[in-house]
Amino acid sequence: AQKVTQAQTEISVVEKEDVTLDCVYETRDTTYYLFWYKQPPSGELVFLIRRNSFDEQNEISGRYSWNFQKSTSSFNFTITASQVVDSAVYFCALSINNAGNMLTFGGGTRLMVKP
Amino acid sequence: DVKVTQSSRYLVKRTGEKVFLECVQDMDHENMFWYRQDPGLGLRLIYFSYDVKMKEKGDIPEGYSVSREKKERFSLILESASTNQTSMYLCASSLRSGLGANVLTFGAGSRLTVL
Repeated sequence: AQKVTQAQTEISVVEKEDVTLDCVYETRDTTYYLFWYKQPPSGELVFLIRRNSFDEQNEISGRYSWNFQKSTSSFNFTITASQVVDSAVYFCALSINNAGNMLTFGGGTRLMVKP
Repeated sequence: DVKVTQSSRYLVKRTGEKVFLECVQDMDHENMFWYRQDPGLGLRLIYFSYDVKMKEKGDIPEGYSVSREKKERFSLILESASTNQTSMYLCASSLRSGLGANVLTFGAGSRLTVL
């Protein structure tokens, strides 16, 4: 069985601070996919990134960066110079197939960025 | 802009009532999903459908049923609502295969309160 743990339930930072959201996963499969989704106050989850288990390269997209480490089963998400608009609930998820029906979500981390 | 539309953002129902939650997508996606979101538990899959008239149980199907008569529409049915079904319900869709098959597009959610 798959499991995703987001140990930080809530994080509060002041604007322009850097913040890292942790994600630890468990799976026995050697092929899997990791995701991050953002859920702003409007409620609609927005896809941010997908990584497959064979690609351990870190990725940067603007102020967002992701650190995938198979050795520690972690897929952490860092926001640099946070902004108020980054306030949202962030979900990490794991899938062992490419069919969408086996996505396991973590419990989510609520990020509050104060001005 | 691609969209998954859920018909009701907020519903209040009484115990024992039959409840219909409707979801429509305009992306010609084959897969559609119903998730339930509860604080600290993340998203849990109730049912999914990979084709018209096809349905598969997810992790927590008890107390729910679904209907998919048309490709673009996926309905979640609570035959006899109970207070423990008070939750946020999220609909999602995805392609059946290819790179995007496990990247879900979500609706804004339907917050159901059962009194």
